[in-house]
Amino acid sequence: DAKTTQPPSMDCAEGRAANLPCNHSTISGNEYVYWYRQIHSQGPQYIIHGLKNNETNEMASLIITEDRKSSTLILPHATLRDTAVYYCIVRVDTGNQFYFGTGTSLTVIP
Amino acid sequence: EPEVTQTPSHQVTQMGQEVILRCVPISNHLYFYWYRQILGQKVEFLVSFYNNEISEKSEIFDDQFSVERPDGSNFTLKIRSTKLEDSAMYFCASSEGWGLGSYNEQFFGPGTRLTVL
Repeated sequence: DAKTTQPPSMDCAEGRAANLPCNHSTISGNEYVYWYRQIHSQGPQYIIHGLKNNETNEMASLIITEDRKSSTLILPHATLRDTAVYYCIVRVDTGNQFYFGTGTSLTVIP
Repeated sequence: EPEVTQTPSHQVTQMGQEVILRCVPISNHLYFYWYRQILGQKVEFLVSFYNNEISEKSEIFDDQFSVERPDGSNFTLKIRSTKLEDSAMYFCASSEGWGLGSYNEQFFGPGTRLTVL
């Protein structure tokens, strides 16, 4: 599976955009990038996923570089409830399981 | 909004006892999964299930574990003889589709915390 690298922790001021980076330099051409988050030991929550193009939904935006070696998850207006561990996951193309790494612990500060 | 539910939220058992963790996946989903998370560690894949068969399993999912869809709504994980190291949060997930691409994002339940004494 393509490994991902994320910073272990980040802070963001409430109301500001949170930009969470992820490196996945060994990603294969048909592997998707998924983002999940886990709020305090709750079940992981799906946020967004993409292949090549930038994606946006009601929760976040996903920006994938043209070479697909990195991506950024953007929470446009972070709230205190966005404090969580954010996982960037590259889906293996030979199976259906998700491999969760250690993620980025995002703290939104009032 | 449809969601995955799990019962119980917390299960305490003695070492060597059998436990069954229950999950109700989202109703139109066809693929079901179990993951676990030992306290302070990563979320780990255990098994995926489709059409009443195991599709994939990790090396964690040994002979002590089994899964079943006993009826049209429940999906269960059984641990036959629990060990201390089975203490973890167990998450059930379901997805509409399989493989890469859309319609296969996995939706997770709130988890069952299993404590083995």
